Amino acid sequence: QQQVKQSPQSLIVQKGGISIINCAYENTAFDYFPWYQQFPGKGPALLIAIRPDVSEKKEGRFTISFNKSAKQFSLHIMDSQPGDSATYFCAGDSGGGADGLTFGKGTHLIIQP
Amino acid sequence: DSGVTQTPKHLITATGQRVTLRCSPRSGDLSVYWYQQSLDQGLQFLIQYYNGEERAKGNILERFSAQQFPDLHSELNLSSLELGDSALYFCASSVAGTGNTEAFFGQGTRLTVV
Repeated sequence: QQQVKQSPQSLIVQKGGISIINCAYENTAFDYFPWYQQFPGKGPALLIAIRPDVSEKKEGRFTISFNKSAKQFSLHIMDSQPGDSATYFCAGDSGGGADGLTFGKGTHLIIQP
Repeated sequence: DSGVTQTPKHLITATGQRVTLRCSPRSGDLSVYWYQQSLDQGLQFLIQYYNGEERAKGNILERFSAQQFPDLHSELNLSSLELGDSALYFCASSVAGTGNTEAFFGQGTRLTVV
């Protein structure tokens, strides 16, 4: 499987701050880029997703920025809250779904009150 | 609650043994995916079934196999277990057989091989 590289591995942000997680992908066949949020003891849950025909998608406090030429995308969490403390995974998927989701290694985010 | 049910939640077994993990997808979803989550490898796609047929194969070992039944539930069979197979195993389901659709994950089965 082609890799998705995610950074940072861990991140500590003060309450009210902006959390930024970055991902880079290799497979140019990817045409769907979801972000999943996982709390301890739970399965990953879809947070927000983007397709490469747009450069940005915003849902509430969560924004994905997408740079197709650089093969990079990032998640911004505005006004970060303690309840956002979780592990975040970026992923890529091709339309044919031949490989399932290819996940990054995850970012452990802690929001300090 | 994602609507995807996995059983059992925890499983402890010895090396060399065989186990079966079960997944019931969300109502109406035809696709079932299996993923393995470990600290060193992260979330790795194993295999996908769509409406009873194998659709895609990822990093699944030959000792592992899966199937999807007519009622759309799926089972992942792990045999000749090794210590390194200890991991969280997730099932996910989606309505379509291809990518670009939301996949809903179950709460996982934590497998410990001793």
